[in-house]
Amino acid sequence: GAGVSQTPSNKVTEKGKYVELRCDPISGHTALYWYRQSLGQGPEFLIYFQGTGAADDSGLPNDRFFAVRPEGSVSTLKIQRTERGDSAVYLCASRLFFGSGTQLSVL
Amino acid sequence: AQRVTQPEKLLSVFKGAPVELKCNYSYSGSPELFWYVQYSRQRLQLLLRHISRESIKGFTADLNKGETSFHLKKPFAQEEDSAMYYCALSRNYGGSQGNLIFGKGTKLSVKP
Repeated sequence: GAGVSQTPSNKVTEKGKYVELRCDPISGHTALYWYRQSLGQGPEFLIYFQGTGAADDSGLPNDRFFAVRPEGSVSTLKIQRTERGDSAVYLCASRLFFGSGTQLSVL
Repeated sequence: AQRVTQPEKLLSVFKGAPVELKCNYSYSGSPELFWYVQYSRQRLQLLLRHISRESIKGFTADLNKGETSFHLKKPFAQEEDSAMYYCALSRNYGGSQGNLIFGKGTKLSVKP
């Protein structure tokens, strides 16, 4: 595709549930980043993939958060046992280019 | 610690007035600096990067290593410039571009 695609655009879930957020990067880009943006804040780094491997996962807040990129293109961010504090916009970037984000709301 | 500071949450100017959006950074090394813009209900868009030394939509930004600043400037603001602006720096991983560290953003409002 022409740009970074993220699905779903909105996700509402209940506390304690598991969610998966998908990112489809720009074709051919090996670098892929996940960020989280809370209200009134700039995006905060979560994890960086170079190809299939996570080159830097130092931004993941705890072990409930996990991300994969098995074939070096599409990536999935997985959040287990969601908490209300996980509510935010989750952004994916392909090099310097961002997707529209997934607005996650945990009730 | 690596940090980007945008001291103004909101900047309001009249159309045709000059604009300066401030950005200061803290980084031990040679960072790469960027400005991103987010128009209402749109995604984050790359506006400028310091290594390109270009002018986009009339905006320019100069890296001042002595003052550790990368302020964004435009001589004559337009109403369509109203948006959120984020300053960001990138760490390097042995020559590869690393993740971005963002400031909290400045909301620019250009009044008619």
